[in-house]
Amino acid sequence: ILNVEQSPQSLHVQEGDSTNFTCSFPSSNFYALHWYRWETAKSPEALFVMTLNGDEKKKGRISATLNTKEGYSYLYIKGSQPEDSATYLCAFRYGNNRLAFGKGNQVVVIP
Amino acid sequence: NAGVTQTPKFRILKIGQSMTLQCTQDMNHNYMYWYRQDPGMGLKLIYYSVGAGITDKGEVPNGYNVSRSTTEDFPLRLELAAPSQTSVYFCASGPGNTIYFGEGSWLTVV
Repeated sequence: ILNVEQSPQSLHVQEGDSTNFTCSFPSSNFYALHWYRWETAKSPEALFVMTLNGDEKKKGRISATLNTKEGYSYLYIKGSQPEDSATYLCAFRYGNNRLAFGKGNQVVVIP
Repeated sequence: NAGVTQTPKFRILKIGQSMTLQCTQDMNHNYMYWYRQDPGMGLKLIYYSVGAGITDKGEVPNGYNVSRSTTEDFPLRLELAAPSQTSVYFCASGPGNTIYFGEGSWLTVV
């Protein structure tokens, strides 16, 4: 069983503040690291697919970095807005294009 | 754009009943997956398929069956439903470098 850990599990952020959270994954047999944004009652929405050590991706106020050698990725939200409230899922891609998911980082942005 | 469509969205089953969750995708993806999401847990892979006629077990396959007779369809069958199968089920598909999810099916077994 592949161990994908996300921390913290939940956090409350004041509107306008920036925040970040961590995903750790196995550092061997690395294919790719995926980040999804998931709002309740909707389908998880792909944010980033990261494949190379040192990768940095950005989408609006959300960005992510990747360190495959030590097995971690950071997701940053700059200037949090209420619409950023969601669960952010990290997933490690392994054989046959399967994804092993962490439990998610639940973010609540307080207006 | 339909993407990945799964039905039904909500269902209540009695213990011992059987049902099929339907999933279809219109993106011609080879890879298809069924995941379940339990409270406080990450998405767990039930079954997956790398193409029509090919299926394989994921992490939590017990109590489920799948088939993949066409590229588009990947139904998930629950035989003899148990309370432990109360969960949110997600079907997904992908071309190999990413995965797209359906909107989920909420299943309660009572």
